Amino acid sequence: EVQLVESGGALVQPGGSLRLSCAASGFTFSNHWMHWVRQGPGKGLVWVSRIDADGSSTDYADSVKGRFTISRDNARTTLYLQMNSLRVEDTAVYYCARERVGMPDYWGQGTQVTVSS
Amino acid sequence: DIQMTQSPSTLSASVGDRVPITCRASQNISTWLAWHQQKPGKAPKLLIYKASTLETGVPSRFSGSGSGTEFTLTISSLQPDDFATYYCQQYNSYLYTFGQGTKVEIK
Repeated sequence: EVQLVESGGALVQPGGSLRLSCAASGFTFSNHWMHWVRQGPGKGLVWVSRIDADGSSTDYADSVKGRFTISRDNARTTLYLQMNSLRVEDTAVYYCARERVGMPDYWGQGTQVTVSS
Repeated sequence: DIQMTQSPSTLSASVGDRVPITCRASQNISTWLAWHQQKPGKAPKLLIYKASTLETGVPSRFSGSGSGTEFTLTISSLQPDDFATYYCQQYNSYLYTFGQGTKVEIK
């Protein structure tokens, strides 16, 4: 069974940093591109970042470019999102998602990030 | 970026009703469209991909149609478990974009 379990969400002050993790199991992690998608309070889904299967290629939404870094450890089957210079508008539930034939097919349960003073 | 627009934003329906949800893309995305279901406090769940292909394990009362810029998700006979929010999502571009969601409520 495919499982994606996010962790690392917390309450942080504006300007602070946080690292999210997504532990994957039930599939060959190193064969799949992975994504982060976020959902602000009462809002819709917004794509954040993606990484290719071996970690050599990454892409970011303009809103997080230069502040967030996606990475992965295929030996630990874990995806990461390093978030720096956090802003109030980054407040959201962050989901990791597995990509299959170009689209997200499995999602984690999400981890809450709250940026507030 | 490709903009996705869903209608309606909210829909009130009864068990057994046929429910159509429309999604429009701001440019041609061929059939690179997925539909996801989300229940409160839960992760999204993939229902349909490539506009009309049912994901394994998804009930056959769900169906998808369309290509280019106009798409429809149809629930043929609404069941109690189907009250949720539905999102369309384009993957023609790696910059995934989602519709704003359609909340299906009990009438």
